Amino acid sequence: EIVMTQSPDTLSVSPGERATLSCRASQSISSNLAWYQQKPGQAPRLLIYGASIRATGVPARFSGSGSGAEFTLTITSLQSEDIALYYCQQYNNWPPWTFGQGTKVQIK
Amino acid sequence: QVQLQESGPGLVKPSQSLPLTCTVSGDSISSGDHFWSWIRQVPGKGLEWIGHISYTGTTYYNPSLKSRLFISMDTSKNLFFLNLNSATAADTAVYYCARSQSVGENCFDPWGQGTLVTVSS
Repeated sequence: EIVMTQSPDTLSVSPGERATLSCRASQSISSNLAWYQQKPGQAPRLLIYGASIRATGVPARFSGSGSGAEFTLTITSLQSEDIALYYCQQYNNWPPWTFGQGTKVQIK
Repeated sequence: QVQLQESGPGLVKPSQSLPLTCTVSGDSISSGDHFWSWIRQVPGKGLEWIGHISYTGTTYYNPSLKSRLFISMDTSKNLFFLNLNSATAADTAVYYCARSQSVGENCFDPWGQGTLVTVSS
């Protein structure tokens, strides 16, 4: 099973500033990585797939990068509506597909 | 627009079966293009993929749950199901159904809104 580790657990960012979230896989997963956003009381929403491809309707301030075992989700110019939990998920080796433990983004 | 909706008992007694249904609209579960998954989230915790079923009825299960798990489908009603046997308090979670592609990008989109199942006597 591939273990996904996200850092930090909590990220405090001022409005308009950049947020950088990291995700590390326990082995190479090529670019088979997705990022999800989960707001309180809601289901996760797909943001990024293929490590860097924005899903339909996702604002351009969200970008993903990385390949192999190290990945980054960047939110340029954080907005109040971006306050949420963010999860990464690998789909290179399955079963099982696995998720990171999540990073909570909050306003500083 | 594809939509998924979970339904089932909100409360299950320990040692009993935990049954859930996912109703799919806007797409056919027998189309051959997708996997149909169950994912759960223990309150305040992360996400755990439970298993999925393909249009042929082929299933893949998380090894951690495989001995207690059965996923099935009813293509005539566009429904798929989860049945988790011998439920314990550790199975208390929000259960989501979700769709992923069967080839290529196996990420989950869309998701149902989720249903909370509590295992308690």
